[in-house]
Amino acid sequence: SQQGEEDPQALSIQEGENATMNCSYKTSINNLQWYRQNSGRGLVHLILIRSNEREKHSGRLRVTLDTSKKSSSLLITASQAADTASYFCATDANGSGGSNYKLTFGKGTLLTVNP
Amino acid sequence: NAGVTQTPKFQVLKTGQSMTLQCAQDMNHEYMSWYRQDPGMGLRLIHYSVGAGITDQGEVPNGYNVSRSTTEDFPLRLLSAAPSQTSVYFCASTPLAGEVGDEQFFGPGTRLTVL
Repeated sequence: SQQGEEDPQALSIQEGENATMNCSYKTSINNLQWYRQNSGRGLVHLILIRSNEREKHSGRLRVTLDTSKKSSSLLITASQAADTASYFCATDANGSGGSNYKLTFGKGTLLTVNP
Repeated sequence: NAGVTQTPKFQVLKTGQSMTLQCAQDMNHEYMSWYRQDPGMGLRLIHYSVGAGITDQGEVPNGYNVSRSTTEDFPLRLLSAAPSQTSVYFCASTPLAGEVGDEQFFGPGTRLTVL
């Protein structure tokens, strides 16, 4: 079953606007990660936030994590056409040993940034 | 470093045929995994390995075999292909050293069609 679920499924904005995507998950986690996938390509890691962190920044990306609500958000500021991609959140299994590294992905948000 | 490489990039099989999807990484990562990505389903974990000689099942292991004889290689075998295995397959790796759940590095994917 899917651990993370992104919302919305699709988002279309104009260049320069901000884009916000949300992720909800079901069980306790060690970390939550966001990945980007350009059409027909592999996934690229964007940012990781640990369960004891509430907010993290990386360039134009801002990620928040609310463990009490089991949710996270990804904000992309001043969007560019090159940001057009699918965005996935991924959570770990909060198990033991190597199983900690098992990631469960949501179904993704398709972001389209119109020039 | 080449990172994570996958071959072939595209493959068409007939029902009942067998084949091996290759995955290699040159980063000396202990943890490697295979995912399949279907439209609207996100990525689902097939099998994973925490080191040479150690493999385990993920969320959707049926119809697939893996082995890990070296740190670098983690092939995925389809014993008797079925149309339900039509998908895009991604291999990923991450080091086990350091903190739990670091970013995973993905290969470019293999697009498999089973007729």
